[in-house]
Amino acid sequence: GESVGLHLPTLSVQEGDNSIINCAYSNSASDYFIWYKQESGKGPQFIIDIRSNMDKRQGQRVTVLLNKTVKHLSLQIAATQPGDSAVYFCAVLRNSGYALNFGKGTSLLVTP
Amino acid sequence: SQTIHQWPATLVQPVGSPLSLECTVEGTSNPNLYWYRQAAGRGLQLLFYSVGIGQISSEVPQNLSASRPQDRQFILSSKKLLLSDSGFYLCAWAGGAFTDQPQHFGDGTRLSIL
Repeated sequence: GESVGLHLPTLSVQEGDNSIINCAYSNSASDYFIWYKQESGKGPQFIIDIRSNMDKRQGQRVTVLLNKTVKHLSLQIAATQPGDSAVYFCAVLRNSGYALNFGKGTSLLVTP
Repeated sequence: SQTIHQWPATLVQPVGSPLSLECTVEGTSNPNLYWYRQAAGRGLQLLFYSVGIGQISSEVPQNLSASRPQDRQFILSSKKLLLSDSGFYLCAWAGGAFTDQPQHFGDGTRLSIL
């Protein structure tokens, strides 16, 4: 099957530090990956995506790294702010297309 | 720009009662539509998805059903709710032309079964 997992259910960082959230996937044929941010009581919000023909993609304060050799995905948040506190999910497009498999999420807590 | 609406935001229903949750999308045509359920502190479980009017794919056998009567309308229903149906229900849409498109979520319905 196609599974998606995160290494850490919770992560606590100090304001201003960089955060790294990790994700592992099982299917080496996966070719599209997404990171979402979910704040309490809201739906997941798209942060950044990456296709398998890339190793790295940068957005505003966020970077996604894809290591296809070890089937690992990470989200890096630079200069973490209190507003970054949320649950972060990685998602992987299924080989069948149309649907995503989601990881269980990492809860990021930013302390002052 | 595209927007997605879900209602109601919260719902409290007795066991055995029917359910109808509605989701509509604006600003796009022929989207792929999705229903997810999220239990407290857990990830997202895909329930149904639709690639066109009247086309529904079911992920998990259960007492829920979905319908897509119009291009940008997706409905989640049940004839008789169970306690285990409690959860946070999320609707999402994605561009239908290509599969490598992000899904965009509504703000969900918090369903409590008493």
